[in-house]
Amino acid sequence: LPVLTQPPSASALLGASIKLTCTLSSEHSTYTIEWYQQRPGRSPQYIMKVESDGSHSKGDGIPDRFMGSSSGADRYLTFSNLQSDDEADYHCGESHTINGQVGVVFGGGTKLTVL
Amino acid sequence: EVQLVESGGGLVQPGGSLKLSCAASGFTFSGSAMDWVRQASGKGLEWVGRIRSKANNYATAYGASVKGRFTISRDDSKNTAYLQMNSLKTEDTAVYYCTRREGTFDIWGQGTMVTVSS
Repeated sequence: LPVLTQPPSASALLGASIKLTCTLSSEHSTYTIEWYQQRPGRSPQYIMKVESDGSHSKGDGIPDRFMGSSSGADRYLTFSNLQSDDEADYHCGESHTINGQVGVVFGGGTKLTVL
Repeated sequence: EVQLVESGGGLVQPGGSLKLSCAASGFTFSGSAMDWVRQASGKGLEWVGRIRSKANNYATAYGASVKGRFTISRDDSKNTAYLQMNSLKTEDTAVYYCTRREGTFDIWGQGTMVTVSS
């Protein structure tokens, strides 16, 4: 099964840029992942899907300053002009069908702090 | 308004059972795959399982940690999905979310808390 690895925390200054990383297990490096934002005390919200070629498709209402990209087994979520409202937990997830069995795997999540 | 509302959470003893409900509104529930995802306090998300639509024979799939103990069902006439949880363990303590799977998890409920403790 795929394994998704995320650093537990990240931080950046208000107005700065930051790139969050989700790393797929090497044998699953071509898989597509999804990013979800979870503000404190709230339910997760879909942000975007990121393909292995770096193409991405955003959810409704996701601002242009959120971008997705890829490099090898790494999938990125990049914020430009960081806002205080961006402070949240960010989860990456992957949905697959392997040998006819459906499954979903999430990374451990990254807590983003806006300084 | 597109909405999912979970209910049925609470305190249950280890080895006990609990049934959660997820009421949907504002979209065509009968055509949607519905998943359950849980989150222990301070932890990441964990996929519990999925039920597909009637067109896909109501096929179900489960995460390894709950397979054989949890059962997902649905009643399209009531626009409601269910999560029957049996043989509960302390490690099942979490907030349980229902979510629609439409290529992504695009709609989420507010979650319901399940605490397994003696």
